[in-house]
Amino acid sequence: GDSVTQMQGQVTLSEDDFLFINCTYSTTWYPTLFWYVQYPGEGPQLLLKVTTANNKGISRGFEATYDKGTTSFHLQKASVQESDSAVYYCVLGDWYNQGKLIFGQGTKLSIKP
Amino acid sequence: EAGVTQSPRYAVLQEGQAVSFWCDPISGHDTLYWYQQPRDQGPQLLVYFRDEAVIDNSQLPSDRFSAVRPKGTNSTLKIQSAKQGDTATYLCASSPPGHSNERLFFGHGTKLSVL
Repeated sequence: GDSVTQMQGQVTLSEDDFLFINCTYSTTWYPTLFWYVQYPGEGPQLLLKVTTANNKGISRGFEATYDKGTTSFHLQKASVQESDSAVYYCVLGDWYNQGKLIFGQGTKLSIKP
Repeated sequence: EAGVTQSPRYAVLQEGQAVSFWCDPISGHDTLYWYQQPRDQGPQLLVYFRDEAVIDNSQLPSDRFSAVRPKGTNSTLKIQSAKQGDTATYLCASSPPGHSNERLFFGHGTKLSVL
């Protein structure tokens, strides 16, 4: 079945550092890829959608790219701030079952002030 | 605009007890989802509705879990006889017509501890 793998469980950076998080996916259909962010005590919220046509999405200083050849997608930010501390999930939209999102395991980002 | 509202925020049970979670989606959203999020893991879909109809409940443990959305608005998720393995945060989400999985709006969740 469809799946998404997020290997980095935790990332610790200093303010103004560069952020890069990587995921891989597996699907027999056309992928729709998302990044969701979850702050403590809250539900996840959509950060970015990566469309296969454009292969890139940008929001709030974050940029998401997609590589069909390696079935991977990435989240990056040039300069992180303390307010970016959260858990980031890569998410695969189920093309066949339109209501279903498949979440990765999450990457907890901690920013040292 | 009010977001997705869930209650209670927390629940603590002994094994074998029953519990119900309640969700009020964003007004006008026709699709409602229940996700289970174990500690330090990503959310996993349990069931989702479009209006009052169940679209997919294949991941819902049917022997102990049930979910309804009788009028196509609010929804209730019930665990009949809780087990320690049910300890998790239960998230409700909704999405507007025509958007399916394009953009889900999540509530804060109900954190369940089964002792």
